[in-house]
Amino acid sequence: QQQVKQSPQSLIVQKGGISIINCAYENTAFDYFPWYQQFPGKGPALLIAIRPDVSEKKEGRFTISFNKSAKQFSLHIMDSQPGDSATYFCAASLDADGLTFGKGTHLIIQP
Amino acid sequence: NAGVMQNPRHLVRRRGQEARLRCSPMKGHSHVYWYRQLPEEGLKFMVYLQKENIIDESGMPKERFSAEFPKEGPSILRIQQVVRGDSAAYFCASSPRDNEKLFFGSGTQLSVL
Repeated sequence: QQQVKQSPQSLIVQKGGISIINCAYENTAFDYFPWYQQFPGKGPALLIAIRPDVSEKKEGRFTISFNKSAKQFSLHIMDSQPGDSATYFCAASLDADGLTFGKGTHLIIQP
Repeated sequence: NAGVMQNPRHLVRRRGQEARLRCSPMKGHSHVYWYRQLPEEGLKFMVYLQKENIIDESGMPKERFSAEFPKEGPSILRIQQVVRGDSAAYFCASSPRDNEKLFFGSGTQLSVL
């Protein structure tokens, strides 16, 4: 059973455009929703995270939108740059359990 | 402050051999997590350890796989009698008391011939 579903699997965006990646979760008890960025040959790095008590969180060009009733959350990358090209993973967790990850989105920003 | 250190970066084993993957958490971190990543797949949780204790091993295969985090030294993920299906990238992450903020190492790429 896949508890976190991520889409799209791959995404191509023009430089300066908005990149949008979506995730849906099943376990309503999840209370922490981070996004990780991974470059080839590297481990994932925490990008931004949100808790269900807020509907949006913004850090620089990165924004998480959270819809508790729909059990969905998304990552928006504004003014996308070639350096943003990477694989992005959404995840969810509950208390002391390990993170449950989505399958990832390969993002390519074309110059 | 050094990050999470994993070694080796690449490990090649023949079928039936043992693989030992090491992870030194960030300074001050006492919580260690192991994840496995297959090509085109997300990271799959394997095990969560604190010093000298296995907290959650629900993601670990029942056979051939074991993990430890001793009082002194790195955490070790051990795979006995490796098979080709064990070929994957294995990532370790650590966290301070707040387990949610995981910091990942660069991973060990295990290749089984």
